[in-house]
Formats: sequence, C-alpha cells, structure tokens
Amino acid sequence: EAGVVQSPRYKIIEKKQPVAFWCNPISGHNTLYWYRQNLGQGPELLIRYENEEAVDDSQLPKDRFSAERLKGVDSTLKIQPAELGDSAVYLCASSFGESSGNTIYFGEGSWLTVV
Amino acid sequence: GESVGLHLPTLSVQEGDNSIINCAYSNSASDYFIWYKQESGKGPQFIIDIRSNMDKRQGQRVTVLLNKTVKHLSLQIAATQPGDSAVYFCAEDQRGGGGFKTIFGAGTRLFVKA
Repeated sequence: EAGVVQSPRYKIIEKKQPVAFWCNPISGHNTLYWYRQNLGQGPELLIRYENEEAVDDSQLPKDRFSAERLKGVDSTLKIQPAELGDSAVYLCASSFGESSGNTIYFGEGSWLTVV
Repeated sequence: GESVGLHLPTLSVQEGDNSIINCAYSNSASDYFIWYKQESGKGPQFIIDIRSNMDKRQGQRVTVLLNKTVKHLSLQIAATQPGDSAVYFCAEDQRGGGGFKTIFGAGTRLFVKA
C-alpha cells in the first residue's frame, strides 16, 4: 500500500515568491493534516481536514498561508508571499478518523528554503 | 500553554545496550500518548502508543511506560541497534478544534555507537 505522497521534496525560492505543496494521503484516510517542522523541533499542526472540511485551522497564518482539499482526497498548501522565517519542512499526514487512537501516517515532507 | 517536553536532547548508547528516552507532559487531562521515530530526511513514524488507563505497553523491542502521578512518559528500546539511531518524539493528544490535536515534544536524538 502506498504511503502519504508529497511533492515537491525540495524547494528553494526567493522571499516574496509564492510556493505550493501537494499531498496525496493514504487511500481511504478521511483525515488529513499539514504540519510544519522547524529544524530541531517537533512538528506543529497547521491545519486538519475531515474529508473536505477544515475542522482546525487555528494555527494556520491566514495572511499568507492557504490550504484546500476540494474533493476530500488530495490537498495543497500554499504560501504567498513567502518569508525567510517560512523555511521549514512541511509535513502532510493522514489517518482513518481523528487522531486519538488512530495512527497518523506522515509523508516524507517538503523541504522549503526561502532565501 | 500546556506542552509536552523532553528531559534530554541527546542520548548516546552502545550497540546492544538498552535505551531509555524520557518525556514529561503537563496536561493531566490527556488520555492518549504516542512515540514517534524520525530518521534523517523522513517523516515521523509511529512506534507505539498508550492510553491513560494503562501504565505499560510492550511492542517488539520497545516498551512505553506511563506514570500519571508525575506526568512522565518513557520509551525503552531493548538491545539497541544502529538502525535505531534517529530522533524520537513523544506526543500527546489534546482535545481542541472540534476534535483531538496531536502535540509533539521537541525530540531526543539517539546515537547508537557500534
């Protein structure tokens, strides 16, 4: 069974430019997460989807970040414009049902460097 | 706010020895805890979990211990192997945002010396 697939794996952009990340969750997983992981730290939740509905986006910086999961499967995370502090690994994850008691499976991440 | 943290940022062990990675949590209402392993260049990988109605759970070469009295969680790895070298995160599920949110600690890096 394929795991969580993310692209691109690596991206280097200049500040003020836009960037988008794509995620394909594990088949059948209705819950999808986007996390951000700074160097040397644990992942921090940005947004959680139940099917196509964003049920928790309280940590998403909405002035520059946006996400969508139009058909309740694939998802994209966009940053526009990017800032130097956005350099991090953006992790997509999925689970069957909400996290408590249901294993969250992570993708390998999209590594963003803003210069 | 409430958080999950770790006592030691790095741990170095000899191959074949047992490893113990510790974690403190502060939200006494949390009832589900998870350990993840993250290898370089990869996403976190589930290792083992435990609910608050248990104090010990064993997997293959790994054991998680939960002490609710002092809000302490530990991961024990038996006969540590070079492939165990990674960063280990403890995480706790906190209710919020219409469901549960998994909060990660900062991580402990485990080095296994051959």
